[in-house]
Amino acid sequence: EAQVTQNPRYLITVTGKKLTVTCSQNMNHEYMSWYRQDPGLGLRQIYYSMNVEVTDKGDVPEGYKVSRKEKRNFPLILESPSPNQTSLYFCASRGVSFGYEQYFGPGTRLTVT
Amino acid sequence: TQLLEQSPQFLSIQEGENLTVYCNSSSVFSSLQWYRQEPGEGPVLLVTVVTGGEVKKLKRLTFQFGDARKDSSLHITAAQPGDTGLYLCAGLNSGGSNYKLTFGKGTLLTVNP
Repeated sequence: EAQVTQNPRYLITVTGKKLTVTCSQNMNHEYMSWYRQDPGLGLRQIYYSMNVEVTDKGDVPEGYKVSRKEKRNFPLILESPSPNQTSLYFCASRGVSFGYEQYFGPGTRLTVT
Repeated sequence: TQLLEQSPQFLSIQEGENLTVYCNSSSVFSSLQWYRQEPGEGPVLLVTVVTGGEVKKLKRLTFQFGDARKDSSLHITAAQPGDTGLYLCAGLNSGGSNYKLTFGKGTLLTVNP
């Protein structure tokens, strides 16, 4: 089954404690992205990657890091989380087909206290 | 920054009614997508429209891309409770990096039985 998986699904942490949210896709997609979704602000792109070792900033990259060492994995790293990073996070991937269908993971709800 | 404005932001209707939601921008997009997101899940692609003036139908849902490729609409006929969800439009940039989708903030639809 084609899917994007994220872990953990829920995470409560404290300010300053480094964390990583993992993302993996089994569709051999070149493109992967991270979004955060906040009430009244919609989905905003944090970082994206066009392929292995190729990443670029989205609209709200501050406070986040990513890496793309393997095609299937695209982890999101928060080196020093702050309360304003409390949000619902989605990983997504898509291939090069004309329809550019983007597949989303189930989401990670992060709370930083 | 390209923006997509969706209206209405919230919509609550009775089962069997028709409705239309709108997605507008001052920018031209090479294509536009509509997604539906249910609580606790990631968005799922409904349709991609590419050509100005294009109309696509998906059962009771009709999607239209404006002639100038700056706007789109989603019309639902005889809405059912199963149509309840957050409807998101997303535009693919026509210039510059073509790896980024710009999302509207969404229309939250509730269909009451």
